[in-house]
Amino acid sequence: GAVVSQHPSRVICKSGTSVKIECRSLDFQATTMFWYRQFPKQSLMLMATSNEGSKATYEQGVEKDKFLINHASLTLSTLTVTSAHPEDSSFYICSARDGGTGANVLTFGAGSRLTVL
Amino acid sequence: GENVEQHPSTLSVQEGDSAVIKCTYSDSASNYFPWYKQELGKGPQLIIDIRSNVGEKKDQRIAVTLNKTAKHFSLHITETQPEDSAVYFCAASRDLGNAGNMLTFGGGTRLMVKP
Repeated sequence: GAVVSQHPSRVICKSGTSVKIECRSLDFQATTMFWYRQFPKQSLMLMATSNEGSKATYEQGVEKDKFLINHASLTLSTLTVTSAHPEDSSFYICSARDGGTGANVLTFGAGSRLTVL
Repeated sequence: GENVEQHPSTLSVQEGDSAVIKCTYSDSASNYFPWYKQELGKGPQLIIDIRSNVGEKKDQRIAVTLNKTAKHFSLHITETQPEDSAVYFCAASRDLGNAGNMLTFGGGTRLMVKP
């Protein structure tokens, strides 16, 4: 089945630095990928929709200058948390849709846990 | 927009018993309803899904039912095992074939299966 790889799985950084998280579709092409944020014991909150070759669409309340999304190819989307602060610490998850199978199901990455000191 | 409510938030069952998780949705145009299992520190894994043209779907110990009139759908796990312990999320969406349509998740249910 479809596989989505997310890297790194864990990252610890100092306040004020930027962190990049990669999301790759390993065996299919994904024109659209989604980025979610998940706080402990809570549901997934959609942050933005990443569109290959165009600008990402951000959900209300998500700062686009804070969370930079780049979808430069059909298999890779990146999320960069700029000037990270402790309140940005969270579990970030990406997902991609494998439209090629016709089932249009979403496959999720394993998530990236960001801790900002 | 779509709103998905999920109940219960926590569920504890004895190994071998059945577990039922229920969700309601608000958008009558939603037609795709997946269920995800999330283990600690991992991303959600699709375990079963149902589309609005069917009322029930079963895969071994897992089944999902859908009542479009009442706008609710349920996950049923029979003969539960300790490895079924995880957080389960329901979700709803209009046709995912349209890139603009996204999943709306329920709040999650923490299932604990006691051996």
